[in-house]
Amino acid sequence: NAGVTQTPKFQVLKTGQSMTLQCAQDMNHNSMYWYRQDPGMGLRLIYYSASEGTTDKGEVPNGYNVSRLNKREFSLRLESAAPSQTSVYFCASSETSGGADTGELFFGEGSRLTVL
Amino acid sequence: GENVEQHPSTLSVQEGDSAVIKCTYSDSASNYFPWYKQELGKRPQLIIDIRSNVGEKKDQRIAVTLNKTAKHFSLHITETQPEDSAVYFCAIRKANNNDMRFGAGTRLTVKP
Repeated sequence: NAGVTQTPKFQVLKTGQSMTLQCAQDMNHNSMYWYRQDPGMGLRLIYYSASEGTTDKGEVPNGYNVSRLNKREFSLRLESAAPSQTSVYFCASSETSGGADTGELFFGEGSRLTVL
Repeated sequence: GENVEQHPSTLSVQEGDSAVIKCTYSDSASNYFPWYKQELGKRPQLIIDIRSNVGEKKDQRIAVTLNKTAKHFSLHITETQPEDSAVYFCAIRKANNNDMRFGAGTRLTVKP
């Protein structure tokens, strides 16, 4: 049981390049999330997916797209990377029971992205 | 949208002392209030949570209190130890909503 797995762990991009962060969970969770973490700003929600086939914007969605490929996988894409997107990105998942999220977020190890 | 403010941003205590971190929120529909601990270079992990129908919850040296009227909740750590040194985040979520929002974090340092 690996939990939440993110790839890659490190990536350096040039401004304007594109890339996709991959996330997979093996806990059969319905809900999945993408956060970015910047010094002094905590964890800011980019997008989330309450269930397979649905996605919703969070606090800071501009410049990102997401795909909930199936129940296990939730990817984050940067179409044209900018230096302001330099950050640590965390994927997370949580259980949903009877329409109500039971609460705990399980995080991946994080992906450190640098945009030059 | 949801807004949660966390104070202080840094906190330094002597080993054995207590530490208190407070979060305030604006949306009265929030009903779930977790606290996460993030050690240096690691992922955030849940340490305790509370729901809106409860005023206080304890787990060994850690407790969380909730005041729904005043819209604030606090993390209390007693008998602090050096391994408690980490960044702590509060978060909020509304009923039937998967959108979880975090505070900016508190860096706690416990001096031996």
